[in-house]
Amino acid sequence: NAGVTQTPKFRILKIGQSMTLQCTQDMNHNYMYWYRQDPGMGLKLIYYSVGAGITDKGEVPNGYNVSRSTTEDFPLRLELAAPSQTSVYFCASSHRTSGPEQYFGPGTRLTVT
Amino acid sequence: AQKITQTQPGMFVQEKEAVTLDCTYDTSDQSYGLFWYKQPSSGEMIFLIYQGSYDEQNATEGRYSLNFQKARKSANLVISASQLGDSAMYFCAMRDRDDKIIFGKGTRLHILP
Repeated sequence: NAGVTQTPKFRILKIGQSMTLQCTQDMNHNYMYWYRQDPGMGLKLIYYSVGAGITDKGEVPNGYNVSRSTTEDFPLRLELAAPSQTSVYFCASSHRTSGPEQYFGPGTRLTVT
Repeated sequence: AQKITQTQPGMFVQEKEAVTLDCTYDTSDQSYGLFWYKQPSSGEMIFLIYQGSYDEQNATEGRYSLNFQKARKSANLVISASQLGDSAMYFCAMRDRDDKIIFGKGTRLHILP
């Protein structure tokens, strides 16, 4: 099992550009989450999904979009990037019935200049 | 709305001493779960321990225990016999009945030799 994989690891965007952060898990988890972590801060929930076809907003959804067409994939789309979106983005997954813990990807470090 | 509060931004503890990291939460749900995660300087998120709101016994995992006081809405992490490798950021998190998981701002723990 690869666990939770995220691509890319690093990215620099110019203001106004768009990009998609990829997240894939191979553990057949039904729950998936996107968080952002600003320097020295905690994780803020952007969006989450409890299964394919279902997504919900978290604490800081503005400026982002998600989709969940398959169990494995949960891409995060940034439209019109802004400097305030400079952060480390973590994807996580979990499965209620096999244990409560979330499994985290390694993160994507995004800089918007 | 759900909220997690960690009031200790940083702590310094002598090696081999026990340490308690504070976490209080706010929710109107009856069914919820509480987590602690460790984030070393390398950046990955490491699951430590979980407590369900209906669990009567405090959770323990090796040197980690969760001091769950439901009436006070607190879920403190206790690390016994601290080690230099325990130096890291520690995050408290809560899962609500809709499976949304939110994190506190974290506590940076420094273990002194």
